[in-house]
Amino acid sequence: AQRVTQPEKLLSVFKGAPVELKCNYSYSGSPELFWYVQYSRQRLQLLLRHISRESIKGFTADLNKGETSFHLKKPFAQEEDSAMYYCALSGGSEKLVFGKGTKLTVNP
Amino acid sequence: DVKVTQSSRYLVKRTGEKVFLECVQDMDHENMFWYRQDPGLGLRLIYFSYDVKMKEKGDIPEGYSVSREKKERFSLILESASTNQTSMYLCASSLQGFFDNEQFFGPGTRLTVL
Repeated sequence: AQRVTQPEKLLSVFKGAPVELKCNYSYSGSPELFWYVQYSRQRLQLLLRHISRESIKGFTADLNKGETSFHLKKPFAQEEDSAMYYCALSGGSEKLVFGKGTKLTVNP
Repeated sequence: DVKVTQSSRYLVKRTGEKVFLECVQDMDHENMFWYRQDPGLGLRLIYFSYDVKMKEKGDIPEGYSVSREKKERFSLILESASTNQTSMYLCASSLQGFFDNEQFFGPGTRLTVL
């Protein structure tokens, strides 16, 4: 079975602090992993995908197959990073399995 | 710029009513999806369509049906709405062919069933 676990429902950090949103997955094959973000009153949108290996808005995420993790990191959080973040998995399909989401709040 | 639109932002219906949620995309995407978004539960897939008139059940299809008569339009139908179907409904679309294709989302329809 394919599963995505985001252990933190809520995460609160101060502006300028590092932030890490955790994501663990369960899939026996080779996964495609994504982070989607939903800012307040905006639609859900792709933040980054592991295959691109790029940094978006200062965020990076590394796929660790040994630990089956795809944690999202940013060295210096900004207030505009406050949003709902979802980790998602595509396991040999064009459908996505989403985690339950982590609400990030960056305090001034 | 991909645009996915949903017919209503807010909808209030009564228990037992038949409800139609409409989604339209303008980028000629083959794949379209309907999700429910609930606090603490994340996004759950209701139905997926990979072509006109083709559909596949997602994780929570009970109480829902779908219709895709044209490539750009994907409808979600609640045959007899119940209070436990009060939720935010998100439509999405994507190109077919690769497992890492981005899904583009609509703004959502917040449905309240009284």
